[in-house]
Amino acid sequence: GAVVSQHPSWVICKSGTSVKIECRSLDFQATTMFWYRQFPKQSLMLMATSNEGSKATYEQGVEKDKFLINHASLTLSTLTVTSAHPEDSSFYICSARDWGAGGRYNEQFFGPGTRLTVL
Amino acid sequence: DAKTTQPPSMDCAEGRAANLPCNHSTISGNEYVYWYRQIHSQGPQYIIHGLKNNETNEMASLIITEDRKSSTLILPHATLRDTAVYYCIVKYGNKLVFGAGTILRVKS
Repeated sequence: GAVVSQHPSWVICKSGTSVKIECRSLDFQATTMFWYRQFPKQSLMLMATSNEGSKATYEQGVEKDKFLINHASLTLSTLTVTSAHPEDSSFYICSARDWGAGGRYNEQFFGPGTRLTVL
Repeated sequence: DAKTTQPPSMDCAEGRAANLPCNHSTISGNEYVYWYRQIHSQGPQYIIHGLKNNETNEMASLIITEDRKSSTLILPHATLRDTAVYYCIVKYGNKLVFGAGTILRVKS
């Protein structure tokens, strides 16, 4: 399957600081990327959808000023958690949808996730 | 969005077929059924998807009932590495919205 990477794989930060998480599609172009959050023993919750070159669409209840999403190219999206607090500690997972080359049109692939711990 | 219902957990003996059911009674005609799985602390892994015909790939088979209100994912010869949470998702438009999934435990 297609490869989606995330960096960093884990991060620990102090309360009040901002953290940036990168998501890259390594072997395909992704016009659409998605960001999910997963708390322990819970399912994935969709936070936002980002399209290359345009503003992200946030799900209800997700603060767009707190979770800044940038999708500047067909292979890179970033999620910045601003002024992080302990309740933002979670597993953040990105997903990228294949543009269509290689017979994988519209398939969606997930990154390995980033574990954020806010102290 | 169509909702799915899955049993919270299932056990399967190693080497046997694992049959994971999913109900999606409110599915509409243009909505696909997707299956993903998530091994602990990893990102979800795509398994298979279908619209109305049964599908098979190197990982699994997907059986969709004629009325499309339910489906079954079949892992033909389960191994210990197949222990994971399996998510059945009805995709509407752009989004994959995850439900609670089924915890499959493959036991030796």
